[in-house]
Amino acid sequence: DGGITQSPKYLFRKEGQNVTLSCEQNLNHDAMYWYRQDPGQGLRLIYYSQIVNDFQKGDIAEGYSVSREKKESFPLTVTSAQKNPTAFYLCASSRGFNYGYTFGSGTRLTVV
Amino acid sequence: AQSVTQLDSQVPVFEEAPVELRCNYSSSVSVYLFWYVQYPNQGLQLLLKYLSGSTLVESINGFEAEFNKSQTSFHLRKPSVHISDTAEYFCAVRPYSGGSNYKLTFGKGTLLTVNP
Repeated sequence: DGGITQSPKYLFRKEGQNVTLSCEQNLNHDAMYWYRQDPGQGLRLIYYSQIVNDFQKGDIAEGYSVSREKKESFPLTVTSAQKNPTAFYLCASSRGFNYGYTFGSGTRLTVV
Repeated sequence: AQSVTQLDSQVPVFEEAPVELRCNYSSSVSVYLFWYVQYPNQGLQLLLKYLSGSTLVESINGFEAEFNKSQTSFHLRKPSVHISDTAEYFCAVRPYSGGSNYKLTFGKGTLLTVNP
């Protein structure tokens, strides 16, 4: 079955370390997105990519970086510059205008 | 730019009661509208969407939403809820710009809690 796979589901890191969250899709979708979810704040867009080798900053890109070298993959790196990285991170993809997003199951990152 | 306001952050109801989750949006252009549902520690799943045509759209599990252009609303309703409907619900919009911008703007979510 097609879908989006985020790994790992839970991730613990020490403060000051960079960490990379994986997102892979086999839906042949062009566009991919990273969102951060905090209690009571809804979903906030970090980065998005509409085609391979191209990506744009979302609303809260500071302290994050991404790459889009393959259509299927859109990894997110949470750097030590991110002031408050503990959150639930969601990856999504989209086929086009008339479609919504397909979401992965999320990665819960805890920085201690 | 678009914005989405979900008027209630939490809605507690009893099983088999009706429920309405309210969503209003602001946009200078026409939009597509979506409702998503999120169960604990999971990603979001598309519940229903309005693209064009009939302003009343339905999901397979008994939810419906009505697009009201004059009131810029897209409220979600269900005539009789079940315990299993307990989840967080997100309203979202996307501009119908004709370009390649697929971005959705989400509301902050409404936590629906169905009590026995």
